[in-house]
Amino acid sequence: DVVMTQSPLSLPVTLGQPASISCRSSQSLAYSDGNTYLHWFQQRPGQSPRRLIYKVSKRDSGVPDRFSGSGSGTDFTLTISRVEAEDVGVYYCMQGTHWPPYTFGQGTKLEIK
Amino acid sequence: EVQLVESGGDLVQPGGSLRLSCTASGFTFSLYQMNWVRQAPGKGLEWVSFISGSGDTTHHADSVKGRFTVSRDNAKNSLYLQMDSLRAEDTALYYCTRNADGNFDYWGQGTMVTVSS
Repeated sequence: DVVMTQSPLSLPVTLGQPASISCRSSQSLAYSDGNTYLHWFQQRPGQSPRRLIYKVSKRDSGVPDRFSGSGSGTDFTLTISRVEAEDVGVYYCMQGTHWPPYTFGQGTKLEIK
Repeated sequence: EVQLVESGGDLVQPGGSLRLSCTASGFTFSLYQMNWVRQAPGKGLEWVSFISGSGDTTHHADSVKGRFTVSRDNAKNSLYLQMDSLRAEDTALYYCTRNADGNFDYWGQGTMVTVSS
């Protein structure tokens, strides 16, 4: 199974400052069809997870453009350019290249400093 | 608007059974693969089961293989998870998710399963 490792696991950030979350996979997530199936989800307190970014860098409709995804192979990053209060929650990366099983990172808890 | 509504969660004794349901609306259900994903209290996300649009193909996580069975009724726009031989470690919030191009684009609100004597 592909192991997804996120860092940091806790991320205190000052409002208006940038934030970055790293996600590393135990195998390359590049697939033979040319796509890389690495996705990011946000889970606000008390809510269901919500997809933010799919296939590394494609932002979902309604997701603010302060969120961006980048990376390739085994190293990926979710970046928030300027953190707002509504960004508090837990962020998960997930791989859909080598399945089953689909596997998630442990989650990164973003809080306001 | 895409909606996924789970139901069927309950308190059950170890070794017991439960059947979860997920009712879908707002899209052509039969065209989409579906999944169950769970989240133990205070923990992260764990994929549980996958089913193809026709229902012909299913996959389950090793942790539930042989105990859980995913199925669907496209005429009723419904997804199911039959859970047998339940264990304490199956205690979690179970989410129904729609599978789009190798990831999960819509999630329900979840239904809670508690396994305890």
